[in-house]
Amino acid sequence: TQLLEQSPQFLSIQEGENLTVYCNSSSVFSSLQWYRQEPGEGPVLLVTVVTGGEVKKLKRLTFQFGDARKDSSLHITAAQPGDTGLYLCAGEYDYGQNFVFGPGTRLSVLP
Amino acid sequence: DTGVSQDPRHKITKRGQNVTFRCDPISEHNRLYWYRQTLGQGPEFLTYFQNEAQLEKSRLLSDRFSAERPKGSFSTLEIQRTEQGDSAMYLCASSLASAFFGQGTRLTVV
Repeated sequence: TQLLEQSPQFLSIQEGENLTVYCNSSSVFSSLQWYRQEPGEGPVLLVTVVTGGEVKKLKRLTFQFGDARKDSSLHITAAQPGDTGLYLCAGEYDYGQNFVFGPGTRLSVLP
Repeated sequence: DTGVSQDPRHKITKRGQNVTFRCDPISEHNRLYWYRQTLGQGPEFLTYFQNEAQLEKSRLLSDRFSAERPKGSFSTLEIQRTEQGDSAMYLCASSLASAFFGQGTRLTVV
């Protein structure tokens, strides 16, 4: 069974703080996606990474794919209340297979 | 709007009734996925189509669940003889490479 772990499970921080959340697996991904989900809505795609060591930036969000393509991190700089939500990572172990999701990190940014 | 569309957004049904959900994917996407998500959890894979072919089904997909994608375009997910444990958000996604999700159908079985 392929498992994808995320940490921390919950995170509550003050506006302006920085944070990092992690996504880990014992297996190699062919690609990995990060999503943000708000209550009652579907996940919204933030980024896809495919190359080991790849770093992508989306405004205040920085995504890194591990060299071995088994793990990834999401760093948010100067968090804002609008960043509040459930952050999900999803890995594709072989191209054309289904996407396996982690349990998510629930982030709350307090004003 | 050219995103993934799901209908209905919400469904309340009595235990034992059948329900059917529809998903319209992004038009050029050949892969379509169904996931189920319960409160506080990440989405769990149910089934996946490439064009009209159903390539993979999860063990979560009991014989009460059936999915179709007859012409390789829209898809339906039917649940027969619903149980309270079927209450969840049912999510559809489509992809060429990255997966894009619809807004989901929230099912409540009473």
